[in-house]
Amino acid sequence: GQQVMQIPQYQHVQEGEDFTTYCNSSTTLSNIQWYKQRPGGHPVFLIQLVKSGEVKKQKRLTFQFGEAKKNSSLHITATQTTDVGTYFCAGRRYYNQGGKLIFGQGTELSVKP
Amino acid sequence: DGGITQSPKYLFRKEGQNVTLSCEQNLNHDAMYWYRQDPGQGLRLIYYSQIVNDFQKGDIAEGYSVSREKKESFPLTVTSAQKNPTAFYLCASRDTEGSIQPQHFGDGTRLSIL
Repeated sequence: GQQVMQIPQYQHVQEGEDFTTYCNSSTTLSNIQWYKQRPGGHPVFLIQLVKSGEVKKQKRLTFQFGEAKKNSSLHITATQTTDVGTYFCAGRRYYNQGGKLIFGQGTELSVKP
Repeated sequence: DGGITQSPKYLFRKEGQNVTLSCEQNLNHDAMYWYRQDPGQGLRLIYYSQIVNDFQKGDIAEGYSVSREKKESFPLTVTSAQKNPTAFYLCASRDTEGSIQPQHFGDGTRLSIL
């Protein structure tokens, strides 16, 4: 079945370093969403990308959607300890029944102060 | 999210026992979802419902059952047929209006085998 692969699985950084997580889909996506899950918490919606080549920024976070709408990335500049958590991408197919999302495996980010 | 309540927070199941996880939302959302999360894995869809009295199997429905008798409620039963039920279970809902339609999650239920 369709998959969304996300790498890396874990990333350990020193505070102030940058961080990037990547998602790749086996098929073209209608849109992609990003969620953040803090340790012990639940996923919280961050952003949705819809257009081919779209780039969106939220303060230190930059989200990109590939030209072919098959890949996406999240880049955090100058990480802080508040960035700790697991970041998930979630793709939605065209002609999607029920608005289902296909989640990547997540990238767990730890930040050393 | 304050609008979705899952209970209990922790649940223990004995061999051969069915257990039911509660999910209630006051967001007036039509669509609701159940996911299972295992360590190092993403969220896997168990069941979803787009409207009252209707639901569909997700990717890992075997050993689970649901009902959607009310818009606000979407309980999940983990049956004895589910041989490896230990996991973190997340319920979500979605507003089917609008262009973005993010999923809103509850705080989850951790299920363990006794």
